[in-house]
Amino acid sequence: QVQLQESGPGLVKPSQTLSLTCTVSGGSITSGNYYWSWIRQSAGKGLEWIGRMSPSGTTKYNPSLQSRVTISLDASKNQFSLRLSSVTAADTAVYYCAREYTYTYNWFDFWGQGTLVTVSS
Amino acid sequence: DIQMTQSPSSLSASVGDRVTITCRASQSIYIYLNWYQQKPGKAPNLLIYGASNLRSGVPSRFSGSGSGTDFTLTVNSLQPEDFATYYCQQSHSVSWTFGQGTKVEIK
Repeated sequence: QVQLQESGPGLVKPSQTLSLTCTVSGGSITSGNYYWSWIRQSAGKGLEWIGRMSPSGTTKYNPSLQSRVTISLDASKNQFSLRLSSVTAADTAVYYCAREYTYTYNWFDFWGQGTLVTVSS
Repeated sequence: DIQMTQSPSSLSASVGDRVTITCRASQSIYIYLNWYQQKPGKAPNLLIYGASNLRSGVPSRFSGSGSGTDFTLTVNSLQPEDFATYYCQQSHSVSWTFGQGTKVEIK
């Protein structure tokens, strides 16, 4: 059974960079028909897909966040990470990492428990 | 981006009721539509993929239908554990987008 776990600071100051890591267990992030995604959920905007990375290193980002987002992958640690720069209060949300299965269809089949990140001074 | 609109935003139902939730896409997404269930404090959980395919382990009282722009999630004989918020998500065009959610509450 694949498990994902987010980690990182729960409080970030405005204008700084939010950094989160997702540790994957129960399977390798470099194998299979999977992408590795970040999704956030806030009261104001509901569920918002942030972006994803493939095992080969190809990334795709939400156009509304693209200028501020970087997703990277560390195969040696079986982890992938999110960096979101120049944060504001609007970036306050629960951040989830998730595995995206890709074949005929795409779907998110495994999710982390989520981590609340608050942007405040 | 493809906009996903769910209706209703919330509904009240009793155990044993049949519940129907609708999701509409702003353009055709064929059958690239997934449904998730989310309980308070938990991550969303996949129920249905490809509009009508039940994920392994999901009770058969859940079903999905539709194609193009209009989709439906039906829960037959609502059980106590089904009171939750349900989201649709399109998987036709990256960037993926979700509906705003439908909260199913106990009447």
